[in-house]
Amino acid sequence: KNQVEQSPQSLIILEGKNCTLQCNYTVSPFSNLRWYKQDTGRGPVSLTIMTFSENTKSNGRYTATLDADTKQSSLHITASQLSDSASYICVVRVSKAGNMLTFGGGTRLMVKP
Amino acid sequence: DVKVTQSSRYLVKRTGEKVFLECVQDMDHENMFWYRQDPGLGLRLIYFSYDVKMKEKGDIPEGYSVSREKKERFSLILESASTNQTSMYLCASRPGGGGYEQYFGPGTRLTVT
Repeated sequence: KNQVEQSPQSLIILEGKNCTLQCNYTVSPFSNLRWYKQDTGRGPVSLTIMTFSENTKSNGRYTATLDADTKQSSLHITASQLSDSASYICVVRVSKAGNMLTFGGGTRLMVKP
Repeated sequence: DVKVTQSSRYLVKRTGEKVFLECVQDMDHENMFWYRQDPGLGLRLIYFSYDVKMKEKGDIPEGYSVSREKKERFSLILESASTNQTSMYLCASRPGGGGYEQYFGPGTRLTVT
């Protein structure tokens, strides 16, 4: 069964600190992996997308990594800001016709001043 | 910018009522989706549509139906609302073909009492 597991479920850090969120998946065959940011009361917004051949991709202070061999991805946030407080969702797409997306449960990040 | 709008941000309905959730996108996207999001379970696909008048069941279609009479509008219908349908409902759209980002609406928080 296709699954996406994220850890930790929740995280509290101080403003200015770095943090890393983890995503492990068992989806097959793999097509791509996206990280979404979801602010409270809003829909998710895509941060990065990674395909099989990509190891690292950055979007400002967000850096995603992908290890397709171990089926692991991480999202690293540098110099956190209060506005980074949100849920971060890992989504993996299967290489099949139709909408074959598997969503992780998300990591709820709170950045405190 | 892609814009996906949902008819209500918050909705309170009684058990047994028929509930309509509306979603409109302004980017001429072929594909539209309805998800529900519950704590600890992530986003789960209810139904999706890849063309006008076309629909496909997602992972949890029971108790729901959908309608897509126009390309820009995708409606989710709860024929007889039940308390276990209390949830956050998210609509999304994306262009046809594979690998494109899904754009999410702001969500409707439905409470069934």
